[in-house]
Amino acid sequence: EAQVTQNPRYLITVTGKKLTVTCSQNMNHEYMSWYRQDPGLGLRQIYYSMNVEVTDKGDVPEGYKVSRKEKRNFPLILESPSPNQTSLYFCASSLGRWGTEAFFGQGTRLTVV
Amino acid sequence: GENVEQHPSTLSVQEGDSAVIKCTYSDSASNYFPWYKQELGKRPQLIIDIRSNVGEKKDQRIAVTLNKTAKHFSLHITETQPEDSAVYFCWAGGGADGLTFGKGTHLIIQP
Repeated sequence: EAQVTQNPRYLITVTGKKLTVTCSQNMNHEYMSWYRQDPGLGLRQIYYSMNVEVTDKGDVPEGYKVSRKEKRNFPLILESPSPNQTSLYFCASSLGRWGTEAFFGQGTRLTVV
Repeated sequence: GENVEQHPSTLSVQEGDSAVIKCTYSDSASNYFPWYKQELGKRPQLIIDIRSNVGEKKDQRIAVTLNKTAKHFSLHITETQPEDSAVYFCWAGGGADGLTFGKGTHLIIQP
């Protein structure tokens, strides 16, 4: 089954403790991206990747890192989480940057206390 | 960069009535306009999309119209049903900035 898988689904952590949210897709998509969803603000892009070893900042990249060592995986790293990073996070993949359907992961609900 | 405005932010309609959500965009180079539906607690999923060489597209009770001159596109849902209750997001893209989301419309279907 074609899918995008994120882990974990829920995470509560403390300020400053490094964490990684994993994202994996099995559709051989070149384009992958991370979004955060906050009430009233919709979906905002954090980082995206056009292909292996090619990443770039989205609209709200501060406080986040990503890597794309393999085509299927695109982890999101928070080196020193802060409470303002409490949010719902989605990973997405598609064949290209635009013009094709984006497939979203199940979402990760992150709470930073 | 691309700027996408989506209205209304909340829309309440009686079951069986029609619902219309409108988005405007700023980048005339944008050529791809998908709509995503997000049910409560779930991931966004594509429901319909349109490209700039087409003015209208229909899929059963859902249709999307595009006015390139005015730079706006709209989602039309007819004969609304309870399962249509969700948040709907428009996207506009294909220009230099890729895809940009609207902020979403919470559609409420009243019984």
